[in-house]
Amino acid sequence: QKEVEQDPGPLSVPEGAIVSLNCTYSNSAFQYFMWYRQYSRKGPELLMYTYSSGNKEDGRFTAQVDKSSKYISLFIRDSQPSDSATYLCAPGGDDMRFGAGTRLTVKP
Amino acid sequence: DAGVTQSPTHLIKTRGQHVTLRCSPISGHKSVSWYQQVLGQGPQFIFQYYEKEERGRGNFPDRFSARQFPNYSSELNVNALLLGDSALYLCASSFQGGDNQPQHFGDGTRLSIL
Repeated sequence: QKEVEQDPGPLSVPEGAIVSLNCTYSNSAFQYFMWYRQYSRKGPELLMYTYSSGNKEDGRFTAQVDKSSKYISLFIRDSQPSDSATYLCAPGGDDMRFGAGTRLTVKP
Repeated sequence: DAGVTQSPTHLIKTRGQHVTLRCSPISGHKSVSWYQQVLGQGPQFIFQYYEKEERGRGNFPDRFSARQFPNYSSELNVNALLLGDSALYLCASSFQGGDNQPQHFGDGTRLSIL
């Protein structure tokens, strides 16, 4: 079993849709949780960072963490074509582990 | 402020050669980590350095080595290159490198092995 599992997609939605991206992890030692966005031929860009169960909101983005079930979600409201990218979940503890990423396309 | 900068952006090598990749962290950041990202996969952790000391090492062979300089910049060295070393090599910096420090990435060096 991989430490971090993420549906690779690809996921295609119309502009304005609500997007739900999900991730599960196996190591209960993970203490903090990050979501990164990666555009083609670019490095990952930090989107959200949290280290507690519950929800954290930043603009159109909401990160949700459930430590009891080892489940992480990222919600994107009013999705835009500029949100088209690969989204990587990254739980961490002593070091960080990445999921394989979900490729998202938002169509105008 | 400048973000994490990496050089070169692209590199082509042949099997058996040696390569050195360079990274400058965000100003004020003291920790640098290196990752390998193969196409279609998430980044895989290679090394973390903090205050010039190695703090962590991923599951990579001894052909991979790194160091951090007094100005907190870093080099990743790979010897005896294999075709499977073809990947995007990412550098990330954080303020202290501790458990709760978010990492910020550069755009990477794309290494191709022929």
